Amino acid sequence: QVQLVESGGALVKPGGSLRLSCAASGFIFSDYYMSWIRQAPGKGLEWVSYISSRGSTIYYTDSVKGRFTISRDNAKNSLYLQMNSLRVEDTAVYYCARGGGVDYNDIWGQGTMVTVSS
Amino acid sequence: QSVLTQPPSASGTPGQRVTISCSGSNSNIGTNYVHWFQQLPGTAPKLLIYRNNQRPSGVPDRFSGSKSGTSASLAISGLRSEDEADYYCAAWDDSLNGPVFGGGTKLTVL
Repeated sequence: QVQLVESGGALVKPGGSLRLSCAASGFIFSDYYMSWIRQAPGKGLEWVSYISSRGSTIYYTDSVKGRFTISRDNAKNSLYLQMNSLRVEDTAVYYCARGGGVDYNDIWGQGTMVTVSS
Repeated sequence: QSVLTQPPSASGTPGQRVTISCSGSNSNIGTNYVHWFQQLPGTAPKLLIYRNNQRPSGVPDRFSGSKSGTSASLAISGLRSEDEADYYCAAWDDSLNGPVFGGGTKLTVL
């Protein structure tokens, strides 16, 4: 079945780095935009980044520009988010989702928790 | 605050019809599709309505979406206890050149 499974979340100190991964299965990964969306504890949803099917179009929300890098490996059906210079305010559940850009996200992973704290 | 404005809460009794609004502007709802997501407690969001009024397979027809001008609405008829969840609207914003979410509405079934 169509599935997205995130991994890589952890507790990290401010200024630290983390790499999130999302393994896709059950669909032709290379046909789809992919997104990272986060949710801080008790808060709403926020788009973090998305990447086009071939990686030629990339979007970042302003608060992560210059610190986060989205990438994908279509041969491995995987999506990544490299997070550097992490801040306390980056603490959130990070969801991987199929779709992005002007179109909707129809499949979501279960999320992975990132906690930035000293 | 969010670019798309939703009421923070809504409520209804079983069997009732409730609507949740999502207000935006010409740069988002006025010119782009609106999508709705349902987030049950402790779970990941789920696509509920896409492209203003389309239901993914498996979503009951009790859920419907509409759009008029710079506002959109999600209607839930025949309210059930399992509909208690957070609901989010989303749209592309031409001015921000990026996607935006509403702040979310917590629906309580009394």
